[in-house]
Amino acid sequence: AQSVTQLDSQVPVFEEAPVELRCNYSSSVSVYLFWYVQYPNQGLQLLLKYLSGSTLVESINGFEAEFNKSQTSFHLRKPSVHISDTAEYFCAVIYSGNTPLVFGKGTRLSVIA
Amino acid sequence: DSGVTQTPKHLITATGQRVTLRCSPRSGDLSVYWYQQSLDQGLQFLIQYYNGEERAKGNILERFSAQQFPDLHSELNLSSLELGDSALYFCASSAEGGEGTEAFFGQGTRLTVV
Repeated sequence: AQSVTQLDSQVPVFEEAPVELRCNYSSSVSVYLFWYVQYPNQGLQLLLKYLSGSTLVESINGFEAEFNKSQTSFHLRKPSVHISDTAEYFCAVIYSGNTPLVFGKGTRLSVIA
Repeated sequence: DSGVTQTPKHLITATGQRVTLRCSPRSGDLSVYWYQQSLDQGLQFLIQYYNGEERAKGNILERFSAQQFPDLHSELNLSSLELGDSALYFCASSAEGGEGTEAFFGQGTRLTVV
């Protein structure tokens, strides 16, 4: 079955420390990969996406993710987090064509001052 | 602001009742998706409509139904409500086509069944 696994449900980290949020998906020939962020009491916002080309993609607020086909992973990283990064992060995959997004269960990132 | 509008924002109703959630997609988007977000199940895909036609079905209960109207807005109807239906319901929309098309999410409707 098509699935997305986010290994950590909660990640506490101190401000200005680096963070990695892990995401693995079930293997498929072609996938499109997304990270969404949900701030408290808000909807989901697209953070970054991988469709094709360079395996390293970046967001405007300093996050990056790397598509690793051999490990079927799309981990999200940031070298130095801020309090404002506190949110829930969802990894999502489109497995083929115009099929709907399949989401992981989310990782709650808590940045501690 | 994603451009996707969901109403109402909050809804409290009793078990056994029926409710309708409404979604207006971004201007020009033909696809509408409905998702249910709960603490134990995470984000579950319910159903997708494309230009008025049902395109894909996920984990949608038989008590739930949806439709997309000619003006492209969509409604999700939930009937015979149970306590376990309490959740955040999201609508998302995407453009006409292209693989890997990004979906834009509304703010959600928080449904509480008491």
